[in-house]
Amino acid sequence: AQSVAQPEDQVNVAEGNPLTVKCTYSVSGNPYLFWYVQYPNRGLQFLLKYITGDNLVKGSYGFEAEFNKSQTSFHLKKPSALVSDSALYFCAVRDDSGNTPLVFGKGTRLSVIA
Amino acid sequence: DAGVTQSPTHLIKTRGQQVTLRCSPKSGHDTVSWYQQALGQGPQFIFQYYEEEERQRGNFPDRFSGHQFPNYSSELNVNALLLGDSALYLCASSLFIGLQNQPQHFGDGTRLSIL
Repeated sequence: AQSVAQPEDQVNVAEGNPLTVKCTYSVSGNPYLFWYVQYPNRGLQFLLKYITGDNLVKGSYGFEAEFNKSQTSFHLKKPSALVSDSALYFCAVRDDSGNTPLVFGKGTRLSVIA
Repeated sequence: DAGVTQSPTHLIKTRGQQVTLRCSPKSGHDTVSWYQQALGQGPQFIFQYYEEEERQRGNFPDRFSGHQFPNYSSELNVNALLLGDSALYLCASSLFIGLQNQPQHFGDGTRLSIL
């Protein structure tokens, strides 16, 4: 069965500092990995995905994520955090079989302090 | 270009009642998935519709049912509501071809409260 772990419920970072939101996954085949962001009272917004190829993936709003197959991780990063980045972040995974739904982690609340 | 729209925004029901939630997919999309997001949790997959048929289903009881119409819009029906059904219900749309490696587009959800 597929699963996603986001080990931190909350991440606090000062504005201008780099941020990292952690994600580890488990799938039986090859993973397709996604990061989404959720602002209060809104749905999920797609940030970036890893399907194949370069381990470093660049996405929206200056975010990037690094795929590490040996550590089964897909951590979300940003070189310089903004107060407006404060939101709930979800990592999601599905395998490449074509028969499995998207599985989400519990989410990590990012708080960027001015 | 209209994104995914869901109605109603909020809904209050009592235990035992039935509810219908509606979703219009993003223009050009043909596949609709429904998710339940309980407070403090990530979205949990309920089911997915394509060509008016349920294609995949998550671990939800038969009280949860759905429908997709020829215009690709969809409904989620929940019968015999329980307190535990209180959640944000999210609809997501995508194209069936290339579904596995494409991001889904989400609506803003329907907040369902059961009293």
